Amino acid sequence: AQTVTQSQPEMSVQEAETVTLSCTYDTSESDYYLFWYKQPPSRQMILVIRQEAYKQQNATENRFSVNFQKAAKSFSLKISDSQLGDAAMYFCAYRSRRQAGTALIFGKGTTLSVSS
Amino acid sequence: KAGVTQTPRYLIKTRGQQVTLSCSPISGHRSVSWYQQTPGQGLQFLFEYFSETQRNKGNFPGRFSGRQFSNSRSEMNVSTLELGDSALYLCASSSLAGAHEQFFGPGTRLTVL
Repeated sequence: AQTVTQSQPEMSVQEAETVTLSCTYDTSESDYYLFWYKQPPSRQMILVIRQEAYKQQNATENRFSVNFQKAAKSFSLKISDSQLGDAAMYFCAYRSRRQAGTALIFGKGTTLSVSS
Repeated sequence: KAGVTQTPRYLIKTRGQQVTLSCSPISGHRSVSWYQQTPGQGLQFLFEYFSETQRNKGNFPGRFSGRQFSNSRSEMNVSTLELGDSALYLCASSSLAGAHEQFFGPGTRLTVL
């Protein structure tokens, strides 16, 4: 069975600084998707970024980028130029491409606080 | 395009009762998944429905069930509620295109007393 581990329950960063959230996963599959979701205090889950395992190039979405290390099964999220609105809980998630369906396996989450 | 909607947003029930939660996916999305979020267990997959058929099921007891209608709207039902069922229940819809990205609703906060 696949598992996702986020080893940092809490992280903090100052406005305009850069922060990296860690995620490792365990799988025997070679084809899968990885995601980072953001859950602000409103509890609405928002997709931040996704990565296809077959792509070597790291995904980037504006201030958000990932460092995908397939061999190490590591998938970290870097937030550049942090803003107050980035404060939220961040979840790393895995989805198998081999298995039918859309079931996501989530890590326990990292709470990010941003100070001015 | 309207997002995923869930009703009700908040619900208080007592042990032993049953509850039905509703989810309307984004227009055109035919896949609906349900997740339970608790402080202790985190986010756990309940089940997924596609074209009115359950396609995938998580590791939850049979008290948890669901269905999907022809318009893709989905309901989940929890019978004989237990205190441990108190959670945020999230619904997500997907068009199954590309990465099958899931778009989440605001959730239903269920409290069991």
